[in-house]
Amino acid sequence: DAGITQSPRHKVTETGTPVTLRCHQTENHRYMYWYRQDPGHGLRLIHYSYGVKDTDKGEVSDGYSVSRSKTEDFLLTLESATSSQTSVYFCASGRDSAKNIQYFGAGTRLSVL
Amino acid sequence: GESVGLHLPTLSVQEGDNSIINCAYSNSASDYFIWYKQESGKGPQFIIDIRSNMDKRQGQRVTVLLNKTVKHLSLQIAATQPGDSAVYFCAETSTGNQFYFGTGTSLTVIP
Repeated sequence: DAGITQSPRHKVTETGTPVTLRCHQTENHRYMYWYRQDPGHGLRLIHYSYGVKDTDKGEVSDGYSVSRSKTEDFLLTLESATSSQTSVYFCASGRDSAKNIQYFGAGTRLSVL
Repeated sequence: GESVGLHLPTLSVQEGDNSIINCAYSNSASDYFIWYKQESGKGPQFIIDIRSNMDKRQGQRVTVLLNKTVKHLSLQIAATQPGDSAVYFCAETSTGNQFYFGTGTSLTVIP
């Protein structure tokens, strides 16, 4: 998985609770991404980062926030989890230019009850 | 090809045969494409990429063909092996910041 670690790998939480997913990369990649993967849908971009403290929204950003205080770490926060946020979340990273290969982590399976 | 239905398109091939997986993309402005392989319980793994200034690109046992006229991408796997069994999907982008991913095709290799 090209030096990308996601934690936790599995999480079960209750509706209304805050949740933070962590992504750590050792590749010194400039770009980092958070996606969700649901049956019947391709991977959908939640947020991405193009540098430390530089982030932007993707197509399904509502209900999610991110932070990137260091090159190697990208956090995804669900401020108040809802059942519709039950999904598998993938982090990815990419090199200098945006149009380049994205390397993915192993994923976090989140269940919101 | 890929679809947005709940059931993935499936392809079954005999070990040693060649496999062809198709992908139709929607944005005529897309100029960079990637094929990924995803095994059960794992993250997507890069296979091969192609930019719009090329029609064909070859890797080890894999070839990607790009037809911009009909907005179609294909992945050819030569001498398919059991370890190739996985879900394969394509991704397209015009900006680089936003990639759009297909839902995938499930490939099963029969020993």
